[in-house]
Amino acid sequence: DTAVSQTPKYLVTQMGNDKSIKCEQNLGHDTMYWYKQDSKKFLKIMFSYNNKELIINETVPNRFSPKSPDKAHLNLHINSLELGDSAVYFCASSQLTGNTEAFFGQGTRLTVV
Amino acid sequence: AQTVTQSQPEMSVQEAETVTLSCTYDTSENNYYLFWYKQPPSRQMILVIRQEAYKQQNATENRFSVNFQKAAKSFSLKISDSQLGDTAMYFCALAMDSNYQLIWGAGTKLIIKP
Repeated sequence: DTAVSQTPKYLVTQMGNDKSIKCEQNLGHDTMYWYKQDSKKFLKIMFSYNNKELIINETVPNRFSPKSPDKAHLNLHINSLELGDSAVYFCASSQLTGNTEAFFGQGTRLTVV
Repeated sequence: AQTVTQSQPEMSVQEAETVTLSCTYDTSENNYYLFWYKQPPSRQMILVIRQEAYKQQNATENRFSVNFQKAAKSFSLKISDSQLGDTAMYFCALAMDSNYQLIWGAGTKLIIKP
């Protein structure tokens, strides 16, 4: 039973398109995250939501908009996709408290052509 | 600002050998947690081992153990009797009690050769 699941696993799209990546966790965690892993494998946090409320919003273009309909879901919508958006995007969840062991989704490889 | 540094971009060892991956970090807080995550070619991130800063005893999980040196702010991962399935990217991460964020190192690519 997958703890953190994100869909799709692969996404190939043309520049200028709008796309969404969905994430769901069944762990009962309060906090969910979106990370971007670039071609050098470096992971960078993009957003963090706690109980549907945005708590971390790192410097990412406005074209990226997270949406949390409930605390088990955190979707990432990207408008006007650019070549530089190509990366692997990871969703993760953790509990609210400091022992923030994060559970990760399998990742979504986004390729913009 | 908190930082995590992994100074070895890539390492390779023969199967069954022991390998140590280094990680140093910086934080001014007293309560924090350190993690090693593994990312195999499948891309799934897997927690390998976790250490609470207030614990002096080094964490161990089967073939995986850490050398936690709090004063030196060092958190190295030792893999004993390495196996082909250990081939992966390994990320060191730091979490504080005061916020929700995980601070990540750049990763070390570990290759186990048959």
